[in-house]
Amino acid sequence: GAVVSQHPSRVICKSGTSVKIECRSLDFQATTMFWYRQFPKQSLMLMATSNEGSKATYEQGVEKDKFLINHASLTLSTLTVTSAHPEDSSFYICSAAVWGQLNTEAFFGQGTRLTVV
Amino acid sequence: AQSVTQLDSHVSVSEGTPVLLRCNYSSSYSPSLFWYVQHPNKGLQLLLKYTSAATLVKGINGFEAEFKKSETSFHLTKPSAHMSDAAEYFCVVIHRGSQGNLIFGKGTKLSVKP
Repeated sequence: GAVVSQHPSRVICKSGTSVKIECRSLDFQATTMFWYRQFPKQSLMLMATSNEGSKATYEQGVEKDKFLINHASLTLSTLTVTSAHPEDSSFYICSAAVWGQLNTEAFFGQGTRLTVV
Repeated sequence: AQSVTQLDSHVSVSEGTPVLLRCNYSSSYSPSLFWYVQHPNKGLQLLLKYTSAATLVKGINGFEAEFKKSETSFHLTKPSAHMSDAAEYFCVVIHRGSQGNLIFGKGTKLSVKP
Protein backbone atom coordinates (compact mmCIF):
# COMPACT_ATOMS: atom_id res chain seq x y z
CA GLY A 1 0.00 0.00 0.00
CA ALA A 2 0.88 3.64 -0.22
CA VAL A 3 3.33 4.98 2.33
CA VAL A 4 3.64 8.37 3.92
CA SER A 5 6.94 9.14 5.58
CA GLN A 6 7.10 11.81 8.26
CA HIS A 7 10.35 13.15 9.64
CA PRO A 8 11.57 13.67 12.27
CA SER A 9 9.73 11.32 14.58
CA ARG A 10 10.84 13.21 17.64
CA VAL A 11 12.35 16.64 18.15
CA ILE A 12 13.25 18.77 21.14
CA CYS A 13 13.88 22.45 20.56
CA LYS A 14 14.46 25.57 22.59
CA SER A 15 11.76 28.13 23.03
CA GLY A 16 11.91 30.76 20.31
CA THR A 17 13.43 28.56 17.64
CA SER A 18 11.70 27.12 14.57
CA VAL A 19 11.16 23.50 13.70
CA LYS A 20 10.41 21.98 10.31
CA ILE A 21 8.51 18.74 9.90
CA GLU A 22 8.50 16.94 6.56
CA CYS A 23 5.80 14.74 5.13
CA ARG A 24 6.52 12.70 2.01
CA SER A 25 4.34 10.42 -0.04
CA LEU A 26 6.76 7.72 -1.10
CA ASP A 27 5.00 5.91 -3.91
CA PHE A 28 2.15 8.11 -4.96
CA GLN A 29 1.43 11.72 -5.75
CA ALA A 30 -0.52 13.65 -3.18
CA THR A 31 -2.13 16.83 -4.39
CA THR A 32 -3.58 17.31 -0.95
CA MET A 33 -2.07 16.62 2.43
CA PHE A 34 -3.51 17.24 5.84
CA TRP A 35 -1.79 18.33 9.02
CA TYR A 36 -3.16 17.32 12.39
CA ARG A 37 -2.25 18.09 15.95
CA GLN A 38 -2.98 15.77 18.81
CA PHE A 39 -2.91 16.81 22.46
CA PRO A 40 -2.43 14.12 25.10
CA LYS A 41 -5.41 11.80 25.40
CA GLN A 42 -7.35 13.70 22.76
CA SER A 43 -8.35 13.13 19.18
CA LEU A 44 -6.65 14.53 16.14
CA MET A 45 -7.43 18.13 15.35
CA LEU A 46 -7.16 19.23 11.75
CA MET A 47 -4.86 22.22 11.52
CA ALA A 48 -4.67 22.82 7.81
CA THR A 49 -5.07 21.34 4.39
CA SER A 50 -1.98 21.59 2.23
CA ASN A 51 -2.50 21.95 -1.50
CA GLU A 52 0.31 21.47 -3.98
CA GLY A 53 1.24 24.71 -5.66
CA SER A 54 -1.15 26.92 -3.72
CA LYS A 55 -1.66 28.38 -0.29
CA ALA A 56 -2.72 26.09 2.51
CA THR A 57 -6.19 26.30 3.97
CA TYR A 58 -6.11 26.75 7.73
CA GLU A 59 -8.77 25.75 10.17
CA GLN A 60 -10.32 28.36 12.39
CA GLY A 61 -8.11 29.26 15.31
CA VAL A 62 -4.87 28.03 13.74
CA GLU A 63 -2.31 30.80 13.24
CA LYS A 64 -1.05 30.64 9.69
CA ASP A 65 1.96 32.82 10.48
CA LYS A 66 3.01 30.47 13.24
CA PHE A 67 2.41 27.20 11.44
CA LEU A 68 3.86 27.67 7.99
CA ILE A 69 2.89 25.06 5.45
CA ASN A 70 4.60 24.55 2.14
CA HIS A 71 3.53 21.98 -0.44
CA ALA A 72 6.05 22.59 -3.18
CA SER A 73 5.79 19.24 -4.92
CA LEU A 74 3.36 16.38 -5.33
CA THR A 75 5.32 14.28 -2.87
CA LEU A 76 6.38 16.71 -0.16
CA SER A 77 4.62 18.97 2.29
CA THR A 78 6.34 20.69 5.19
CA LEU A 79 5.06 22.21 8.40
CA THR A 80 7.27 24.77 10.11
CA VAL A 81 6.49 25.75 13.67
CA THR A 82 7.94 29.23 13.98
CA SER A 83 9.10 30.80 17.24
CA ALA A 84 8.06 27.70 19.12
CA HIS A 85 6.82 27.95 22.67
CA PRO A 86 6.21 25.23 25.27
CA GLU A 87 2.49 25.28 24.51
CA ASP A 88 3.31 24.17 20.98
CA SER A 89 4.57 20.88 22.38
CA SER A 90 2.35 18.25 20.86
CA PHE A 91 2.12 15.29 18.52
CA TYR A 92 1.84 16.37 14.88
CA ILE A 93 0.62 13.97 12.20
CA CYS A 94 0.38 14.39 8.46
CA SER A 95 -1.87 12.54 6.10
CA ALA A 96 -2.23 12.18 2.37
CA ALA A 97 -5.34 10.95 0.64
CA VAL A 98 -5.68 8.97 -2.55
CA TRP A 99 -8.92 10.05 -4.15
CA GLY A 100 -11.14 7.82 -6.21
CA GLN A 101 -14.72 6.81 -6.57
CA LEU A 102 -14.10 3.35 -5.19
CA ASN A 103 -10.75 3.41 -3.49
CA THR A 104 -10.43 6.60 -1.53
CA GLU A 105 -8.09 6.06 1.36
CA ALA A 106 -6.03 8.12 3.75
CA PHE A 107 -2.45 7.29 4.66
CA PHE A 108 -0.77 8.68 7.73
CA GLY A 109 2.75 9.50 8.67
CA GLN A 110 4.04 8.07 11.92
CA GLY A 111 3.83 11.44 13.62
CA THR A 112 6.31 13.89 15.13
CA ARG A 113 6.56 14.39 18.87
CA LEU A 114 7.58 18.01 19.38
CA THR A 115 8.83 19.12 22.78
CA VAL A 116 9.66 22.78 23.29
CA VAL A 117 11.79 23.50 26.33
CA ALA B 1 -21.61 18.47 5.91
CA GLN B 2 -19.78 15.50 7.26
CA SER B 3 -19.37 14.51 10.88
CA VAL B 4 -18.44 11.50 12.93
CA THR B 5 -19.67 10.64 16.40
CA GLN B 6 -18.02 8.01 18.52
CA LEU B 7 -20.57 7.34 21.17
CA ASP B 8 -18.23 6.12 23.89
CA SER B 9 -15.08 7.88 24.99
CA HIS B 10 -13.98 4.85 27.00
CA VAL B 11 -14.86 1.17 26.76
CA SER B 12 -13.59 -1.42 29.19
CA VAL B 13 -13.87 -5.17 28.57
CA SER B 14 -12.40 -8.31 30.00
CA GLU B 15 -9.95 -10.36 28.01
CA GLY B 16 -11.77 -12.92 25.90
CA THR B 17 -15.07 -11.03 25.81
CA PRO B 18 -16.54 -9.25 22.77
CA VAL B 19 -15.65 -5.71 21.83
CA LEU B 20 -18.07 -3.14 20.43
CA LEU B 21 -16.94 0.37 19.57
CA ARG B 22 -19.71 2.52 18.18
CA CYS B 23 -19.49 5.07 15.40
CA ASN B 24 -22.22 7.08 13.71
CA TYR B 25 -21.63 9.36 10.78
CA SER B 26 -23.40 11.98 8.78
CA SER B 27 -22.52 12.71 5.20
CA SER B 28 -24.30 14.40 2.37
CA TYR B 29 -22.65 12.09 -0.11
CA SER B 30 -21.44 8.52 -0.32
CA PRO B 31 -18.81 8.26 2.36
CA SER B 32 -15.74 6.17 2.80
CA LEU B 33 -15.33 5.08 6.40
CA PHE B 34 -12.28 3.91 8.26
CA TRP B 35 -11.24 2.67 11.63
CA TYR B 36 -7.74 3.48 12.82
CA VAL B 37 -5.97 2.32 15.95
CA GLN B 38 -3.36 4.27 17.85
CA HIS B 39 -1.23 2.66 20.51
CA PRO B 40 0.36 4.95 23.11
CA ASN B 41 2.95 7.31 21.62
CA LYS B 42 2.55 5.72 18.21
CA GLY B 43 1.13 6.77 14.85
CA LEU B 44 -2.10 5.62 13.31
CA GLN B 45 -2.62 2.16 11.87
CA LEU B 46 -5.46 1.31 9.53
CA LEU B 47 -7.68 -1.44 10.89
CA LEU B 48 -10.22 -1.60 8.09
CA LYS B 49 -12.08 0.51 5.58
CA TYR B 50 -15.41 0.66 3.80
CA THR B 51 -15.39 2.08 0.29
CA SER B 52 -18.71 0.87 -1.21
CA ALA B 53 -17.99 -2.81 -1.70
CA ALA B 54 -19.23 -5.34 0.86
CA THR B 55 -20.99 -3.76 3.81
CA LEU B 56 -19.35 -6.16 6.26
CA VAL B 57 -15.68 -5.34 6.28
CA LYS B 58 -13.01 -7.52 7.82
CA GLY B 59 -9.82 -5.93 9.04
CA ILE B 60 -6.63 -6.87 10.77
CA ASN B 61 -6.30 -8.51 14.18
CA GLY B 62 -9.77 -10.04 14.02
CA PHE B 63 -11.67 -6.77 13.87
CA GLU B 64 -14.61 -6.19 11.59
CA ALA B 65 -17.18 -3.49 11.00
CA GLU B 66 -20.53 -3.30 9.30
CA PHE B 67 -21.69 -0.34 7.27
CA LYS B 68 -25.40 0.25 7.89
CA LYS B 69 -26.68 3.05 5.74
CA SER B 70 -30.15 3.03 7.29
CA GLU B 71 -28.64 3.57 10.72
CA THR B 72 -25.71 5.71 9.51
CA SER B 73 -23.46 3.53 11.60
CA PHE B 74 -20.12 1.82 11.21
CA HIS B 75 -19.55 0.02 14.49
CA LEU B 76 -16.32 -1.86 15.12
CA THR B 77 -16.47 -5.32 16.65
CA LYS B 78 -14.24 -8.17 17.67
CA PRO B 79 -15.47 -11.48 19.08
CA SER B 80 -12.78 -11.86 21.70
CA ALA B 81 -10.62 -9.11 23.14
CA HIS B 82 -6.91 -9.52 23.65
CA MET B 83 -4.72 -7.55 26.01
CA SER B 84 -2.83 -6.14 23.02
CA ASP B 85 -6.05 -4.56 21.75
CA ALA B 86 -5.87 -1.90 24.45
CA ALA B 87 -5.44 1.35 22.52
CA GLU B 88 -7.25 4.38 21.19
CA TYR B 89 -9.57 3.80 18.23
CA PHE B 90 -10.68 6.46 15.77
CA CYS B 91 -13.54 6.35 13.32
CA VAL B 92 -12.90 8.49 10.24
CA VAL B 93 -15.14 9.58 7.39
CA ILE B 94 -14.10 10.96 4.08
CA HIS B 95 -16.28 12.05 1.24
CA ARG B 96 -15.65 9.66 -1.59
CA GLY B 97 -15.20 10.99 -5.06
CA SER B 98 -13.97 14.49 -4.44
CA GLN B 99 -11.39 16.14 -2.31
CA GLY B 100 -12.72 16.80 1.13
CA ASN B 101 -11.39 16.70 4.61
CA LEU B 102 -10.79 13.63 6.70
CA ILE B 103 -13.14 13.93 9.62
CA PHE B 104 -12.07 12.20 12.83
CA GLY B 105 -14.26 11.03 15.64
CA LYS B 106 -13.11 12.01 19.12
CA GLY B 107 -11.76 8.54 19.73
CA THR B 108 -12.63 5.65 22.01
CA LYS B 109 -10.13 4.36 24.49
CA LEU B 110 -10.35 0.59 24.81
CA SER B 111 -9.14 -0.95 28.05
CA VAL B 112 -8.80 -4.71 28.37
CA LYS B 113 -8.79 -6.26 31.82
CA PRO B 114 -7.09 -9.57 32.51
